[in-house]
Amino acid sequence: DADVTQTPRNRITKTGKRIMLECSQTKGHDRMYWYRQDPGLGLRLIYYSFDVKDINKGEISDGYSVSRQAQAKFSLSLESAIPNQTALYFCATSDDLSYEQYFGPGTRLTVT
Amino acid sequence: GEDVEQSLFLSVREGDSSVINCTYTDSSSTYLYWYKQEPGAGLQLLTYIFSNMDMKQDQRLTVLLNKKDKHLSLRIADTQTGDSAIYFCAETLNYGGSQGNLIFGKGTKLSVKP
Repeated sequence: DADVTQTPRNRITKTGKRIMLECSQTKGHDRMYWYRQDPGLGLRLIYYSFDVKDINKGEISDGYSVSRQAQAKFSLSLESAIPNQTALYFCATSDDLSYEQYFGPGTRLTVT
Repeated sequence: GEDVEQSLFLSVREGDSSVINCTYTDSSSTYLYWYKQEPGAGLQLLTYIFSNMDMKQDQRLTVLLNKKDKHLSLRIADTQTGDSAIYFCAETLNYGGSQGNLIFGKGTKLSVKP
């Protein structure tokens, strides 16, 4: 089984809708991250969490919110989706030693 | 702010060596990473190098680190069509509240022609 899972894998939604992307991990890591990937822009950090009670904004947090329900679960919400939030979204986890990040398979979100 | 730069595209012929270059800005980075993203997939760690090393070799992969110039390279020997992917360079942040976070380059798309 995959160490980092994301649901859904694909989602098409309309402008103005609220949507939640979920991430679960079995790595036992305290650190979790949400990124978005756009062609030619690489990965940009949206939010990160160092433990259940520690949540921080990343480079591009406007229009997004997160919830860390447990060590293993970190969800990303778009309160009112807009077309420029169409992107590939990745969840990742890491440990506190090597900082190596383990990525989920991604969620492809399209906002029409 | 911290930044990681890499060229966006590289095209090579099957059997040739590929060299992907990267420059970074945080001289205190502890680890530097190379991630590979195959089409339709997430990023997977390919290899990493600790900052006190100059070179690391792992089968067909050779990583070279020049700390003075803040330059990192990934060489893939005998490149195969299965190596076609996007390769991301990443450095660790080692200060402040975001210590341990990674800064990624924009990725180099490697195309391998038969």
